[in-house]
Amino acid sequence: AQTVTQSQPEMSVQEAETVTLSCTYDTSENNYYLFWYKQPPSRQMILVIRQEAYKQQNATENRFSVNFQKAAKSFSLKISDSQLGDTAMYFCAFMKLNYGGSQGNLIFGKGTKLSVKP
Amino acid sequence: GAGVSQSPSNKVTEKGKDVELRCDPISGHTALYWYRQSLGQGLEFLIYFQGNSAPDKSGLPSDRFSAERTGGSVSTLTIQRTQQEDSAVYLCASSSRLAGAPGGNEQFFGPGTRLTVL
Repeated sequence: AQTVTQSQPEMSVQEAETVTLSCTYDTSENNYYLFWYKQPPSRQMILVIRQEAYKQQNATENRFSVNFQKAAKSFSLKISDSQLGDTAMYFCAFMKLNYGGSQGNLIFGKGTKLSVKP
Repeated sequence: GAGVSQSPSNKVTEKGKDVELRCDPISGHTALYWYRQSLGQGLEFLIYFQGNSAPDKSGLPSDRFSAERTGGSVSTLTIQRTQQEDSAVYLCASSSRLAGAPGGNEQFFGPGTRLTVL
C-alpha cells in the first residue's frame, strides 16, 4: 500500500519570501504521478503542480516548483515570492497508474497549513 | 459553469437517518471519485467509477455507504443510518479516462458537501 507523509502540520512565511513544504511517500510502484493540491478556506481543492515519476526534470509552474527525488521518495514544494493568496492547506498526493494507463485514486498526506504573513 | 458541482453544500441530519449526496462531474469526464475529508482522518478515498467498469469500492468504510453513477454522468453517494462519525466534508472529483490524455492526470474537485450528523 502507498502512503504519503507530510511532516509539517503548520508553517508560516513572510510575504515575498520563499518557503518549502516537505512530502515523502512510500510505494513499490514504478509508474505514478505526484501532485500538490491547495485548499483555501473556500474548501475548493485546486491543483498546484504535478510530476510524472518517469520524468527526471522537476516540474515548475510560475512561482511553484518541486524537488522530486525518486530514489529518496521525496517530493517537496517550493513557493517563491509568497503572496497573501497562497495562504491555504497544501496536500501532497500520490496516484498510481492502473493497467492500460488509466489512473487510480489519489492518496493524500495529512496536509500542511501555510500562513503567509504581511 | 464547466466545473464539478455538488449538492447540497451543507447537510445537517439526525443520527440514524439516511442521506444522499449528489455530484455532477465535468461533461465528458469518464472517471468520477468520492473522497471524505475529516479532521481526524484527513482526506480518504471512498469509491471510484471508471466508464462502464465495475466501480472500485475499496475505500468505503462500511456497508452503510453506497454510491451509484447513472448514465455515466451524475453520481449519488448514499449513507444509510448515519452516525456521528460520518460527519465530514464529502468531496467529488472527475477526470478524463487516461492519464496521458490532455488534463487526464488531473482530478478536478467540486466544492464538497459538509455533512453534520447530530
